[in-house]
Amino acid sequence: AQRVTQPEKLLSVFKGAPVELKCNYSYSGSPELFWYVQYSRQRLQLLLRHISRESIKGFTADLNKGETSFHLKKPFAQEEDSAMYYCALLNQAGTALIFGKGTTLSVSS
Amino acid sequence: DGGITQSPKYLFRKEGQNVTLSCEQNLNHDAMYWYRQDPGQGLRLIYYSQIVNDFQKGDIAEGYSVSREKKESFPLTVTSAQKNPTAFYLCASSGPPAGTQNTEAFFGQGTRLTVV
Repeated sequence: AQRVTQPEKLLSVFKGAPVELKCNYSYSGSPELFWYVQYSRQRLQLLLRHISRESIKGFTADLNKGETSFHLKKPFAQEEDSAMYYCALLNQAGTALIFGKGTTLSVSS
Repeated sequence: DGGITQSPKYLFRKEGQNVTLSCEQNLNHDAMYWYRQDPGQGLRLIYYSQIVNDFQKGDIAEGYSVSREKKESFPLTVTSAQKNPTAFYLCASSGPPAGTQNTEAFFGQGTRLTVV
């Protein structure tokens, strides 16, 4: 079965602290994984995708096939990082994205 | 201004009535999607379409219907058969269809449907 699990509903950190948003997946073969972000009163938008191996706004995510994980990390959180974060997986047919339940990140000073 | 537009932003429906949510895109995308967003549930796929005149059921299609007569438009009808229609509905598009290397889904602002 194809599934994305985000175990934390809410993650609260202080400004400057490291952040790790967890994402685990279930998939046969080589997955294509994404992180999407929804800031307050804004559209859901792509943050990064694993095939690009990019760092966006200081966030990185590494695919770990052994642990079937794609955790999102940032060494020093900023208040503007506060948002809802969704991990997503391209389905086996390659036709649509499967989303996790999302994690709300709250960064306070 | 290129993008994906959903209307209306807020919609109220009486029980037993059908209602149609609009989704239009001018990004020349082939694929379009409808998701339902509920607190604590994340985004769940209702229907998707990879090409004009073709669409497929997602995970929670019961009580919903769609059409794809034009590339730019993918309206969603919430029928009276949908048991719990109050939710936030998100439309998205991608092009070329999901599955290619540069897949990115672009989302609309959403429609909040409330059954009264």
